[in-house]
Amino acid sequence: GEDVEQSLFLSVREGDSSVINCTYTDSSSTYLYWYKQEPGAGLQLLTYIFSNMDMKQDQRLTVLLNKKDKHLSLRIADTQTGDSAIYFCAELPSSGTYKYIFGTGTRLKVLA
Amino acid sequence: DVKVTQSSRYLVKRTGEKVFLECVQDMDHENMFWYRQDPGLGLRLIYFSYDVKMKEKGDIPEGYSVSREKKERFSLILESASTNQTSMYLCASSMGLAGSGDTQYFGPGTRLTVL
Repeated sequence: GEDVEQSLFLSVREGDSSVINCTYTDSSSTYLYWYKQEPGAGLQLLTYIFSNMDMKQDQRLTVLLNKKDKHLSLRIADTQTGDSAIYFCAELPSSGTYKYIFGTGTRLKVLA
Repeated sequence: DVKVTQSSRYLVKRTGEKVFLECVQDMDHENMFWYRQDPGLGLRLIYFSYDVKMKEKGDIPEGYSVSREKKERFSLILESASTNQTSMYLCASSMGLAGSGDTQYFGPGTRLTVL
């Protein structure tokens, strides 16, 4: 099927690391993305990774890509209360159209 | 910075009304999209457009139509609103060039309530 799967909720303590996981569908997807949605707002791009990369780091964010298992993860180091939001992973399949496929979103709650 | 704006943040309409949701982007992007977001279902693509006057159905086009007369503007139309169209509607745009990461930029969303 065409479901991108994420767990619905994650709760962590301030200062800990958060790891949000995603299983995507198309092993030939060209790009995979992580978006953040704060309450009442649209989606904000956090980072993306090209499919020929295994890892990408950007300040507190680390993205890991396991193409064999079609698994994508986002690690947030030193999680802060401002990181509380819904996080969506998305893929752009290589089918030649622009039908991005989004996961259901993981709601991250950071406890002070 | 890319800016995607949507005409309303909140909208309340009655069943049977015709509803227009407007989206404007200011970065000359080729592609524009309309999604609806519902709890537990993530984002579902309604329609997208890859050029002026060109459109393609997404996963849930029933009950919706779109219009793209100018490159910067993409409208979503609910011909006869129904209560099951109560949702958050998100517009997005993307450049359409693979080398750029093809990232989408989203508007703030319109929360539509149909009574």
